[in-house]
Amino acid sequence: KAGVTQTPRYLIKTRGQQVTLSCSPISGHRSVSWYQQTPGQGLQFLFEYFSETQRNKGNFPGRFSGRQFSNSRSEMNVSTLELGDSALYLCASSQDSGGHNEQFFGPGTRLTVL
Amino acid sequence: AQSVAQPEDQVNVAEGNPLTVKCTYSVSGNPYLFWYVQYPNRGLQFLLKYITGDNLVKGSYGFEAEFNKSQTSFHLKKPSALVSDSALYFCAVRDIGGSNYQLIWGAGTKLIIKP
Repeated sequence: KAGVTQTPRYLIKTRGQQVTLSCSPISGHRSVSWYQQTPGQGLQFLFEYFSETQRNKGNFPGRFSGRQFSNSRSEMNVSTLELGDSALYLCASSQDSGGHNEQFFGPGTRLTVL
Repeated sequence: AQSVAQPEDQVNVAEGNPLTVKCTYSVSGNPYLFWYVQYPNRGLQFLLKYITGDNLVKGSYGFEAEFNKSQTSFHLKKPSALVSDSALYFCAVRDIGGSNYQLIWGAGTKLIIKP
């Protein structure tokens, strides 16, 4: 099976712009989670989608949003970018039948905000 | 509130020696516990998990972890460290009895194995 894929791998944006990141989960996986990883803050949970519904949301401002499509592919959007949004954004998928399944991570999208 | 603590930012071990990376957790119900590893310039990879059953769980690359309910710990161990084990290790917990079903992550522990 192909792994989790994320596009693009690298992005450079300026403050105030918006960005959309894409994630394709492993075939058959219906749960997709998004994380922000920074050197100082570690791994911060953004949101989790299951069957096109947002099931959980982390403590991020409303500028961060996401969605999941019927084929389980997911996108996250960050509007009005700030310098502090520079980070590695990770997507993870799982089969999710009760929360006991492990997550499979993509390589991430490295976002740099100038 | 749910939480996960990895009390050591960094652990240094000589190659061939046993290693332990510590993880403690706090949940309102029963936990599902996970360990993940992130090698330099590579994505996060699943190592092992505890869901139920035997408290000693074996995972990839010779790692194992012991679930200790009384001490609310899930320490990661390996009998003999390799230089290639050098990486960032994350512990995560899901509270299956709580209202928040989210997976909670520790801050990570950098493991350095010296030859």
